[in-house]
Amino acid sequence: GAGVSQTPSNKVTEKGKYVELRCDPISGHTALYWYRQSLGQGPEFLIYFQGTGAADDSGLPNDRFFAVRPEGSVSTLKIQRTERGDSAVYLCASSLQPGQTSTGELFFGEGSRLTVL
Amino acid sequence: AQSVTQLGSHVSVSEGALVLLRCNYSSSVPPYLFWYVQYPNQGLQLLLKYTSAATLVKGINGFEAEFKKSETSFHLTKPSAHMSDAAEYFCAVSGGGSTLGRLYFGRGTQLTVWP
Repeated sequence: GAGVSQTPSNKVTEKGKYVELRCDPISGHTALYWYRQSLGQGPEFLIYFQGTGAADDSGLPNDRFFAVRPEGSVSTLKIQRTERGDSAVYLCASSLQPGQTSTGELFFGEGSRLTVL
Repeated sequence: AQSVTQLGSHVSVSEGALVLLRCNYSSSVPPYLFWYVQYPNQGLQLLLKYTSAATLVKGINGFEAEFKKSETSFHLTKPSAHMSDAAEYFCAVSGGGSTLGRLYFGRGTQLTVWP
């Protein structure tokens, strides 16, 4: 597709369950980002991939959160043992490689709204 | 470190009135600054960006912002509000270079436009 695609758009789960959120970036974009937006807050950085590798995962809140991008395109954010505080909208964005051909414009998906009961 | 403060979580204006959304930043390196807009049930969309070129930046939909280093500000303005401008607006800063995509967002300002 033309834009960043995220699935599912909505996910309701129970405390303690495992969740996967998927992001399909814009074709040709080598950089991929995950952000988390809690109610009433701006997006907060979680992790950044350049190609297949996580270039910066310092925003992941704890070891229950993990993300992969095995082929340098689609990425999956994985949350283990979900807690009610994990409820938020998880945003994915992609861009051209920062610092070279890009001037920093991120293209965001519509997000995956996670609700942990 | 970088951070952004958006003054006013809600701004209301009449259609045709001036829109002014305030953003102040803190950055330990020369900043790259962005304004994003989020319409209901849609993803964030870039309005405009400052990347160390002209200090007055023009964006889409008639918006513009001026980078003022002495005031550490990057306020967003539009001369005449339109009903379609009602949305949430986020200011963001990054450190540039290899960290260009790591954005630090403000808490957002919800703009309401009255007829």
